[in-house]
Amino acid sequence: GEQVEQLPSILRVQEGSSASINCSYEDSASNYFPWYKQEPGENPKLIIDIRSNMERKQIQELIVLLDKKAKRFSLHITDTQPGDSAMYFCAARVNSGGSNAKLTFGKGTKLSVKS
Amino acid sequence: DPKIIQKPKYLVAVTGSEKILICEQYLGHNAMYWYRQSAKKPLEFMFSYSYQKLMDNQTASSRFQPQSSKKNHLDLQITALKPDDSATYFCASSHPGQSNERLFFGHGTKLSVL
Repeated sequence: GEQVEQLPSILRVQEGSSASINCSYEDSASNYFPWYKQEPGENPKLIIDIRSNMERKQIQELIVLLDKKAKRFSLHITDTQPGDSAMYFCAARVNSGGSNAKLTFGKGTKLSVKS
Repeated sequence: DPKIIQKPKYLVAVTGSEKILICEQYLGHNAMYWYRQSAKKPLEFMFSYSYQKLMDNQTASSRFQPQSSKKNHLDLQITALKPDDSATYFCASSHPGQSNERLFFGHGTKLSVL
């Protein structure tokens, strides 16, 4: 099955700076790449996603880049705020052709934004 | 106002016992899933159901049995509980056929097996 690697596992940044999280995947059939944010004691919440027909997507301070040739995708948070502190998970979905949104997740990045 | 309801929120069980985790979704989705999250294996896929039919099973142990009595219900029965089963179990749902088929998670059931 698909494997997703996520780095770094821990990321500490200063408020107002940028934070970048990188993920790689193995299966070239993967066509959908969401990012989830999870705060302590809460459920993972979808914050941004990108499909394989795009290379870049931005929602406010969140930017996702996808390099299909290298099988890599990344999340960039510009102008980080203390409220961005959380666990972030990348994921990939293989286009199985069926009614199945099974996602394979990375191991997560714990982001801490210091003020 | 949560649209995916999981019960209970916390669950303590003794080794060898059996428990049922409840999940109902009110998003009108046709596909439902179970994921497990622990310190050892964050967000691990377990099962997927579509229109109440099992689509994918990545759980090696038959002690884990999903049960779907209605399209918007997917419960998880766990028998012969072991301490290693301690984790937070997240139910999720999606709407197959939508362009992005986004996955939404419930708030989880935190299971502790003593």
